Amino acid sequence: KAGVTQTPRYLIKTRGQQVTLSCSPISGHRSVSWYQQTPGQGLQFLFEYFSETQRNKGNFPGRFSGRQFSNSRSEMNVSTLELGDSALYLCASSLTVGAAYEQYFGPGTRLTVT
Amino acid sequence: EDKVVQSPLSLVVHEGDTVTLNCSYEVTNFRSLLWYKQEKKAPTFLFMLTSSGIEKKSGRLSSILDKKELSSILNITATQTGDSAIYLCAQDARFGAGTRLTVKP
Repeated sequence: KAGVTQTPRYLIKTRGQQVTLSCSPISGHRSVSWYQQTPGQGLQFLFEYFSETQRNKGNFPGRFSGRQFSNSRSEMNVSTLELGDSALYLCASSLTVGAAYEQYFGPGTRLTVT
Repeated sequence: EDKVVQSPLSLVVHEGDTVTLNCSYEVTNFRSLLWYKQEKKAPTFLFMLTSSGIEKKSGRLSSILDKKELSSILNITATQTGDSAIYLCAQDARFGAGTRLTVKP
């Protein structure tokens, strides 16, 4: 079974631009969660989608948004990029809704904002 | 805000040693506590704990949950250099800062 895939793997953007990251979950998994990982803050929860609906949201500004499609693939968008948005963005999929269940992480997208 | 706290933050041991990693949480609506191992890439799932006092084992790794103390431990026996990684615990979507384990030959 193929694992969680994320594209692109690396991205360099300029402050003020916007970016869209993509995540394809493991086949059959309907829940996708997004996390931001930085050396200073560790892994922080952004949001979770299940059946195309956002089920949970972390403490991030409205510049961070996401969506899920009917095939469970998910996208995350960050608008008006700031230097502090430089991070590894991880998505994780699970069979059921709720990050309380075992999640399988993708390799991440390394975003650098200059 | 509810927190997940891991200790120690960093640990250096030699091959063959046994280590115990700690995780404490302070949440009101507990559903499960999860342990992950993160090497150079993404975290990989180790254990999910929902019931207090029931040990979960996988090879040299084991973990147990204490709901009364709001804590969990992860034990690794007979450590190997391949165990070097960051070990993360999570309560739902809240992750601790992780314990960086270095195993020296």
